[in-house]
Amino acid sequence: AQSVTQLDSQVPVFEEAPVELRCNYSSSVSVYLFWYVQYPNQGLQLLLKYLSGSTLVKGINGFEAEFNKSQTSFHLRKPSVHISDTAEYFCAVSLEYGNKLVFGAGTILRVKS
Amino acid sequence: GAGVSQTPSNKVTEKGKYVELRCDPISGHTALYWYRQSLGQGPEFLIYFQGTGAADDSGLPNDRFFAVRPEGSVSTLKIQRTERGDSAVYLCASSLTWEISNTPRREQFFGPGTRLTVL
Repeated sequence: AQSVTQLDSQVPVFEEAPVELRCNYSSSVSVYLFWYVQYPNQGLQLLLKYLSGSTLVKGINGFEAEFNKSQTSFHLRKPSVHISDTAEYFCAVSLEYGNKLVFGAGTILRVKS
Repeated sequence: GAGVSQTPSNKVTEKGKYVELRCDPISGHTALYWYRQSLGQGPEFLIYFQGTGAADDSGLPNDRFFAVRPEGSVSTLKIQRTERGDSAVYLCASSLTWEISNTPRREQFFGPGTRLTVL
């Protein structure tokens, strides 16, 4: 079975500072990897995904993530955050030949001015 | 275009009652998924439909939970004899296809969810 661990439940950061949200997964087979964002009172929105190919994936709103197979990690980064990035971020995996997503518990990013 | 819609947005019921939660997927999407998000946790998979049939219902917690998609479009999640532990946000997602060979078209788009509160 697959599992996802998001190591930080909350990450406070000042505006224009860089941020990294950590995600580790466990799986005995290849997986697809995703980051979703959930703004207050809104549904989940896909930020980026890793399916294959380049391990550095660029997403929307200036976010990027790097797939590291040896460390089974898929950390999310942004070089300079904005107040509007305040939201909850979920890392998720799905089996290469499956469909259901397995989510981590989420990381709340709080950007302060 | 319209995204995934879910009704009602909020549902308050009493312990022991029956509830139905509705999901309207994006038009033309053939795959549909239900997830449950409890407070402070990430979404947990419940069931997945390919067209009208449930392809994977391994996430349904017990036989009080049932979902249907009779015409391959709208889906209804049904919960019998509700318990306080059923309180959560129920999320629906749809994707264009379930074809293994067409991975990019399997991206899941989520609705805003239905917040169920069982008193």
